[in-house]
Amino acid sequence: RKEVEQDPGPFNVPEGATVAFNCTYSNSASQSFFWYRQDCRKEPKLLMSVYSSGNEDGRFTAQLNRASQYISLLIRDSKLSDSATYLCVVLPGGFKTIFGAGTRLFVKA
Amino acid sequence: SQTIHQWPATLVQPVGSPLSLECTVEGTSNPNLYWYRQAAGRGLQLLFYSVGIGQISSEVPQNLSASRPQDRQFILSSKKLLLSDSGFYLCAWTRLAVQETQYFGPGTRLLVL
Repeated sequence: RKEVEQDPGPFNVPEGATVAFNCTYSNSASQSFFWYRQDCRKEPKLLMSVYSSGNEDGRFTAQLNRASQYISLLIRDSKLSDSATYLCVVLPGGFKTIFGAGTRLFVKA
Repeated sequence: SQTIHQWPATLVQPVGSPLSLECTVEGTSNPNLYWYRQAAGRGLQLLFYSVGIGQISSEVPQNLSASRPQDRQFILSSKKLLLSDSGFYLCAWTRLAVQETQYFGPGTRLLVL
C-alpha cells in the first residue's frame, strides 16, 4: 500500500460545479496534512493546511478524518482558474514529507 | 520575506555528462532544505534533505548526490547523468524543527539526451 494515495484523475467538471478530492494515508501517527496546487510546468504551491476541526478558505474546504486516515478537499463554484493538479501532502513525523501523486482537475466553460 | 531561487531554469545535457543544480534561500536562517524530482506526469520523489551545513540525508539510492556548503545553499550533483535522470527538480525549504508546509523554488527542468 502506498503511503499516500489520491483519487485517480482527471476530473472534468463544468464551471460552477462542486468537486471533491479524497486522499488516504497509511501512517496513523502522521502529524500534519496539507493540500498543494500545482499548475502545469510550475512548482507546487500551498493551497491550505488541513486541521482536525476542518477549515475553510473561501470556496475551498479541507477536512481531516484521523480515524479513517483520510483527508478531503472540496471546491465549490469551480472556476476555470481552478484547473490544476492537486497534491495531498502528509508529514508522518521527523523531516519526511510524503506527496501524493496528485489529482488533475479540468474546469470547462 | 523569504525567497527561494533555483538555477538554471532549464538544462539539456548529454548522457554521461556531469550535473550541478543550485538552490539558495533568502530571508531566513537555519532552514531545512529538500531536493525533489518529479518525472513527467508523476508525483514528487524526495531525493535528499538537509537540516544543517554539511548534513545530508539521502532518501533514494541513485547516482545523484547533494551538498550544503552554506546555511542557505543546497546543491544537487551528478558525476554522470543517465537518461532516467530527466525530470523536474525542485528545491524546497521549511523552518528548522517545525513541521510545517514546504515552500518550493521555481524548479529546474532537466532533459538528458
